[in-house]
Amino acid sequence: LAKTTQPISMDSYEGQEVNITCSHNNIATNDYITWYQQFPSQGPRFIIQGYKTKVTNEVASLFIPADRKSSTLSLPRVSLSDTAVYYCLVGSYSGGGADGLTFGKGTHLIIQP
Amino acid sequence: DSGVTQTPKHLITATGQRVTLRCSPRSGDLSVYWYQQSLDQGLQFLIQYYNGEERAKGNILERFSAQQFPDLHSELNLSSLELGDSALYFCASSPRQGDTDTQYFGPGTRLTVL
Repeated sequence: LAKTTQPISMDSYEGQEVNITCSHNNIATNDYITWYQQFPSQGPRFIIQGYKTKVTNEVASLFIPADRKSSTLSLPRVSLSDTAVYYCLVGSYSGGGADGLTFGKGTHLIIQP
Repeated sequence: DSGVTQTPKHLITATGQRVTLRCSPRSGDLSVYWYQQSLDQGLQFLIQYYNGEERAKGNILERFSAQQFPDLHSELNLSSLELGDSALYFCASSPRQGDTDTQYFGPGTRLTVL
């Protein structure tokens, strides 16, 4: 199953757009890409999920190129409250197994004033 | 509020002891997942149950066991506790069994082993 690679940390400033890229070179045909956000001492929270091209919701956009070997989470106009750890996961609705449930260490995003 | 409840919120115990953590999933969700989060290890998947049956297994130690009951609540049992077992333990639930199903996380149980 696909393994994901993300940057360990990123810094940005309030009002900027932040893009976090996740690599998943071995993504399978049935796999979806899901992003979660986690604040300290809280459980992760679902942000967005996609299969291909672009998905947008009220908090983020997810860009997935045609080869689906990577994906980019885009957070528009970030604020201090977006400081959190962001996780990229890859897995299928029909699949089972632990690989699709591997959160790893995620990307620690720090937003400065 | 995700709708997932975990008890207790905090637990302090001694090495060698056994504890039980409890999780109630969101109404209607059939899958329950357990995770361990310590400072240096990130969020580690332990085990998943779907409708009472074990569905997927991660890095769960033999000293740890879990089960999901007919009313769909789940318990994680940790025995012969060691200092290194001190961590936040999260439970999550989802409607279906697939590993990419959106998971809703509870507030966690903070376990401290002295």
